[in-house]
Amino acid sequence: AQKITQTQPGMFVQEKEAVTLDCTYDTSDQSYGLFWYKQPSSGEMIFLIYQGSYDEQNATEGRYSLNFQKARKSANLVISASQLGDSAMYFCAMEGLGAGGTSYGKLTFGQGTILTVHP
Amino acid sequence: ETGVTQSPTHLIKTRGQQVTLRCSSQSGHNTVSWYQQALGQGPQFIFQYYREEENGRGNFPPRFSGLQFPNYSSELNVNALELDDSALYLCASSLLSSSGNTIYFGEGSWLTVV
Repeated sequence: AQKITQTQPGMFVQEKEAVTLDCTYDTSDQSYGLFWYKQPSSGEMIFLIYQGSYDEQNATEGRYSLNFQKARKSANLVISASQLGDSAMYFCAMEGLGAGGTSYGKLTFGQGTILTVHP
Repeated sequence: ETGVTQSPTHLIKTRGQQVTLRCSSQSGHNTVSWYQQALGQGPQFIFQYYREEENGRGNFPPRFSGLQFPNYSSELNVNALELDDSALYLCASSLLSSSGNTIYFGEGSWLTVV
């Protein structure tokens, strides 16, 4: 069984500042993947970044980076240089991987964090 | 652009009716998963299809069923609709593999049951 906890229901950040969204997880799987998605009010779930449990380096994608601390079971998302368009709901999710790191595409999501970027 | 499209985008149904939601997956992706997202909640896994067979199911009753077709399109069927079925239904496609991972979602279908 897997569990994702996002303890920040809402976060506020000034435009051009950096912000960290928290995510902790619990799993009995030896190998797993961690995801962050952005969901604007339209409903589409937009993929941001992925981190495999076997990756030693933190993942980065443009302005997004994932601060992965395996021993603490945390996978925080850092957004640098926030933009007004970053205002949305953000979800942390994970999946257990099969033998050889095989992905089955079954995600467990947290409750989400609403990010508001102020001008 | 995720390459995953869903239809319809919005629909209203009456309690007790049946609904079919459709998803066209990204080309080459051999798995499709469906999720239910109630208002203010994170998405909940309904089930997944791999090569046209159900490959895992979440905590949803049998009146939630699905199909995956050879062209990687998929359907979610819900029978005997209940008011609590009102939600955003998301389809996600991925490639079952051991090399990397990318799971893409469609824009969702908003279902309202009255």
